[in-house]
Amino acid sequence: DAGITQSPRHKVTETGTPVTLRCHQTENHRYMYWYRQDPGHGLRLIHYSYGVKDTDKGEVSDGYSVSRSKTEDFLLTLESATSSQTSVYFCAISERDNQETQYFGPGTRLLVL
Amino acid sequence: QKEVEQNSGPLSVPEGAIASLNCTYSDRGSQSFFWYRQYSGKSPELIMFIYSNGDKEDGRFTAQLNKASQYVSLLIRDSQPSDSATYLCAVNSDYSSASKIIFGSGTRLSIRP
Repeated sequence: DAGITQSPRHKVTETGTPVTLRCHQTENHRYMYWYRQDPGHGLRLIHYSYGVKDTDKGEVSDGYSVSRSKTEDFLLTLESATSSQTSVYFCAISERDNQETQYFGPGTRLLVL
Repeated sequence: QKEVEQNSGPLSVPEGAIASLNCTYSDRGSQSFFWYRQYSGKSPELIMFIYSNGDKEDGRFTAQLNKASQYVSLLIRDSQPSDSATYLCAVNSDYSSASKIIFGSGTRLSIRP
């Protein structure tokens, strides 16, 4: 999986609790992305990062925040999880000179009860 | 709202036959077009990309692009059971950035022996 790991791989949590998902890469790629995948909606971009401490919003950013303090780590935080955030979350990375070629991590299945 | 449409399937094709997967998109300014393969419970994997009208072949896979009609298709020749997966179409309106990539919800392909 192109040197990308995600943790945890599975998580069950309750509505209203904070949740942090971690994406870690060993490829030294500049760009990192968080997507969610839901039936009937395909992959939708939540947030992305174009460098350490440089992040921007995607299509479905409400209720999510991100941080990138090191090149290799990109964290996605659900400040107060809701049932609508139950989904499969994928991290992806791409190089500066070939941003369109994205490599995806193994995913995190999140269930919010 | 920019959209990428795919028939959800399942598309059932006999082993050895040609599987034809189709995708339409709404943004006439789209510049880059991608096909991802996603096995059940796994992450998406890029298998083809195309930028220009016409056909692009890679092994058993052929991507076809028709910008005038706003559709892109993927042909898989000599289909194998290992080709059974969900195929995601993705379209980008800015080839210098992956943050604008829009994914379809995927077509599930089943190759029957």
